[in-house]
Amino acid sequence: DAKTTQPPSMDCAEGRAANLPCNHSTISGNEYVYWYRQIHSQGPQYIIHGLKNNETNEMASLIITEDRKSSTLILPHATLRDTAVYYCIVRGGWDSNYKLTFGKGTLLTVNP
Amino acid sequence: DGGITQSPKYLFRKEGQNVTLSCEQNLNHDAMYWYRQDPGQGLRLIYYSQIVNDFQKGDIAEGYSVSREKKESFPLTVTSAQKNPTAFYLCASSIDGDSFYRNLNQPQHFGDGTRLSIL
Repeated sequence: DAKTTQPPSMDCAEGRAANLPCNHSTISGNEYVYWYRQIHSQGPQYIIHGLKNNETNEMASLIITEDRKSSTLILPHATLRDTAVYYCIVRGGWDSNYKLTFGKGTLLTVNP
Repeated sequence: DGGITQSPKYLFRKEGQNVTLSCEQNLNHDAMYWYRQDPGQGLRLIYYSQIVNDFQKGDIAEGYSVSREKKESFPLTVTSAQKNPTAFYLCASSIDGDSFYRNLNQPQHFGDGTRLSIL
């Protein structure tokens, strides 16, 4: 079972920041938080991942709370092409062979 | 360009027939994975392989088989024993077949999928 909880859908205006929340209250100390997105009929695209520090790359920023029980993915300037399903995933540790378990994700719709 | 190639993009299977989905990667990744996605659902792990000539069952392996004879190739066979094969199949790879790289937590990268339907 997925270890994360995400809202099923969100809307965002084009050019504004999109903040996608994720709860992972049962996360273990050695488990990473991963974010992927999937545009319809394509394979998931890796966005970012982190353990406990905030992370930033060319696509997004990842803010992880100090207790690591939740995180937020931030797309700083959303475009229409960012419309997709966003998956927040807690990656298992050595005891589950580091596998990814996908939930249903959040459908982000960016509106003009 | 380096990447993961899945073929065919669309595949049709007759009742009682086995079909094989191809997955090739030129990223020099050790680990490869097969997932299944049903409409409106997340991905579920079918099989994975950390290294050549070795593979492990995932969460929904029944009715499927795989082989890993070469590092760059990880074909998936959907057998007649899989009673509900209609789905979107995704292949992924990551560098971390070796425990050293796994500890670095490298991401999985996905192909564009094969959509399998029953005639």
